[in-house]
Amino acid sequence: AQSVTQLDSHVSVSEGTPVLLRCNYSSSYSPSLFWYVQHPNKGLQLLLKYTSAATLVKGINGFEAEFKKSETSFHLTKPSAHMSDAAEYFCVVARLNTGFQKLVFGTGTRLLVSP
Amino acid sequence: ETGVTQSPTHLIKTRGQQVTLRCSSQSGHNTVSWYQQALGQGPQFIFQYYREEENGRGNFPPRFSGLQFPNYSSELNVNALELDDSALYLCASSSRTSGSPNEQFFGPGTRLTVL
Repeated sequence: AQSVTQLDSHVSVSEGTPVLLRCNYSSSYSPSLFWYVQHPNKGLQLLLKYTSAATLVKGINGFEAEFKKSETSFHLTKPSAHMSDAAEYFCVVARLNTGFQKLVFGTGTRLLVSP
Repeated sequence: ETGVTQSPTHLIKTRGQQVTLRCSSQSGHNTVSWYQQALGQGPQFIFQYYREEENGRGNFPPRFSGLQFPNYSSELNVNALELDDSALYLCASSSRTSGSPNEQFFGPGTRLTVL
């Protein structure tokens, strides 16, 4: 069964420093992986997705993630944090069953950005 | 293009009552998924509707039920409410095609509190 593990429940960075949010996945076949962001009192927004094309995936707002099969990882990075990046981030794997697709979410990483 | 909308925004119920939550899909989308997000957790898949039929279900009891209408809007019904049903309920719409997973677009959610 597909699953994801987010290794940090909280990550704190200073504005202008790099961001690294870690995610490991478990899948019996080539997975489809996503990162979603959730700002307070707002819905989930897709940052980026990996679907077996290029292993380095670029998303919105300067975020990117690299799919590493040998390490079963899909870490999210950003070169320079902005105050507006403070939010909850979810690593997600898509599980394809016969006739339907469901998203399996990690437990989330809260990113805190200080001035 | 209108995004995914949900109503109501907030709702307070007491144990044993029944509740109906509503979702309007994004224009052009024919698939609706519902997720439950307990406080401090990642969203959990409840079920998915396609062509007005449930075509996939997560680990939720039968008192969680739904409907999808010809215009692809959807309802989530929960009977015999329990305290643990208190959560943010998220609706996500997508356009179902064969092959790789499609992006699911999320609404802002309905915050349900059961007293």
